[in-house]
Amino acid sequence: DAGVIQSPRHEVTEMGQEVTLRCKPISGHNSLFWYRQTMMRGLELLIYFNNNVPIDDSGMPEDRFSAKMPNASFSTLKIQPSEPRDSAVYFCASTLMVRATTGELFFGEGSRLTVL
Amino acid sequence: GQQVMQIPQYQHVQEGEDFTTYCNSSTTLSNIQWYKQRPGGHPVFLIQLVKSGEVKKQKRLTFQFGEAKKNSSLHITATQTTDVGTYFCAGGGTYKYIFGTGTRLKVLA
Repeated sequence: DAGVIQSPRHEVTEMGQEVTLRCKPISGHNSLFWYRQTMMRGLELLIYFNNNVPIDDSGMPEDRFSAKMPNASFSTLKIQPSEPRDSAVYFCASTLMVRATTGELFFGEGSRLTVL
Repeated sequence: GQQVMQIPQYQHVQEGEDFTTYCNSSTTLSNIQWYKQRPGGHPVFLIQLVKSGEVKKQKRLTFQFGEAKKNSSLHITATQTTDVGTYFCAGGGTYKYIFGTGTRLKVLA
């Protein structure tokens, strides 16, 4: 199994530009999570999906952030417009959830975003 | 909202010394997971604890879940340089896990 695949691995952009991060979860997993990691705030849960439906997006910082999961094998996290404070490593993780209990989270290698 | 704190934030040990990190939740947890993140890497699952008072061992690593299911600990016996990284607990509830603040371990050879 290829694991969770994220792209791009690195993104450098200028303030105000749109950024799209992509994630392909492990086949057969029914839950997907987006986390943001910074030195100051650690690992923050942004949003998670179950069976392609957003369950909780209370961690999304503001309206500039949006996430979609059009099908079971693909998700995007979009930032528009981007700001320097959005610079972080963004992780996607997937798991098989049974009866509302989350199992082991499998993380992708992350997308390191730098906004100048 | 739910908060999960870990102490210490950083720990430097000599190779061969023991290491312990503690995890405390503001709310009762249904279960807890532990992850390790190597420098520049991504979190990797170590273990999950479900039962009150549960203790699990993986070679030199010992994991405990508190009786009240609000705290947990990870103990490493005789650390090695390969143990370097940040250790996170993740408090489990319905549908999601909230990660602790992490403990960064450095092992000096």
